[in-house]
Amino acid sequence: NAGVTQTPKFRVLKTGQSMTLLCAQDMNHEYMYWYRQDPGMGLRLIHYSVGEGTTAKGEVPDGYNVSRLKKQNFLLGLESAAPSQTSVYFCAISTGLKTEAFFGQGTRLTVV
Amino acid sequence: GDSVTQMEGPVTLSEEAFLTINCTYTATGYPSLFWYVQYPGEGLQLLLKATKADDKGSNKGFEATYRKETTSFHLEKGSVQVSDSAVYFCALSPTGAQKLVFGQGTRLTINP
Repeated sequence: NAGVTQTPKFRVLKTGQSMTLLCAQDMNHEYMYWYRQDPGMGLRLIHYSVGEGTTAKGEVPDGYNVSRLKKQNFLLGLESAAPSQTSVYFCAISTGLKTEAFFGQGTRLTVV
Repeated sequence: GDSVTQMEGPVTLSEEAFLTINCTYTATGYPSLFWYVQYPGEGLQLLLKATKADDKGSNKGFEATYRKETTSFHLEKGSVQVSDSAVYFCALSPTGAQKLVFGQGTRLTINP
């Protein structure tokens, strides 16, 4: 039982390149989230989804897009990567309001 | 808006010392409160939670009490071990919101 699986775990991009991060869950949770973690800033919410086919903006959505075509997958896209998007990205899932969130292992992205 | 403030780190202690990591929050209504722990190279894991005023969350020797009058949720442990070395995040889930708001994290190092 993997829980929350993020792909890839590491990636180096050149400025202007695009990529997609995949989050896959096997816990059948409705809510899925993408966070970024930067030193001294904790985790900041990028986008989230409350169910299949839905997405919403979080605290820092600019420069990112998301899709949730299937309940178990939540994709985070960078259309034109910038050095400011160098970060560790975490996917999380939960069953709903005020409940525990389960996190993936993270994706370390470096944009040069 | 909703926010969480944690004591700044890093915190370095000797094994068997008493630990306190301060956390205060700003939120309307009655948020749920959480402590998450992140071990090196891993995602976040729930350590403990409290969903209403005066609740005490506890796990693995760690405790935190939801104090609405002081808007605080301080993390404590009576005798720390080297294996407790990690980054600790205080977080809240606002009333009616489908997300978690995190503090900046506190890095804890325990020396033998």
